[in-house]
Amino acid sequence: GAVVSQHPSRVICKSGTSVKIECRSLDFQATTMFWYRQFPKKSLMLMATSNEGSKATYEQGVEKDKFLINHASLTLSTLTVTSAHPEDSSFYICSARVAGGRYEQYFGPGTRLTVT
Amino acid sequence: KQEVTQIPAALSVPEGENLVLNCSFTDSAIYNLQWFRQDPGKGLTSLLLIQSSQREQTSGRLNASLDKSSGRSTLYIAASQPGDSATYLCAVRSGGGADGLTFGKGTHLIIQP
Repeated sequence: GAVVSQHPSRVICKSGTSVKIECRSLDFQATTMFWYRQFPKKSLMLMATSNEGSKATYEQGVEKDKFLINHASLTLSTLTVTSAHPEDSSFYICSARVAGGRYEQYFGPGTRLTVT
Repeated sequence: KQEVTQIPAALSVPEGENLVLNCSFTDSAIYNLQWFRQDPGKGLTSLLLIQSSQREQTSGRLNASLDKSSGRSTLYIAASQPGDSATYLCAVRSGGGADGLTFGKGTHLIIQP
């Protein structure tokens, strides 16, 4: 149980285009989803937190107009990187959590984004 | 702001050895702490979760301890195997539980056959 999927696993796009990454909780309902970004040999950096049906809360320094997050249902959240630049190339990982209890987070397999 | 530090950054040991990975955090007001494993180019696999009221958790050859007052956790791996080679990440959740996790930079572990 507690499986989180991401799609696509890898994507290459050209500068200036937009790309959407999907995160799904497959066997549970996630009241909260998180989006992280990971640079090579660096820690995971929290980008934003989204609760189903409400606007995402972005961490300081993360451009909300560039990284659009939609959490339209209890099993799906999307991250859209708009007008992508090469510096947006990174490994993006989503995480899903059920409220209450241990607040344990379950992570997706990640999406490798390369902007050319 | 919570900061998480992991020591060592990298570790290479022969197969069969017992080893300890260290994690420290600056703000002791945590809700819980999780240890994860990450294989190259992959997502995170949760290994152990310790609630702030707990002292340790065990799963198979893994044992994680938590000393909340001193801001420290250790991950003990017994009888290491080549398949244990991965990056091990420590993460803490602060506040009342609703916050996201703050991660350390990880310990890159290599178990030599």
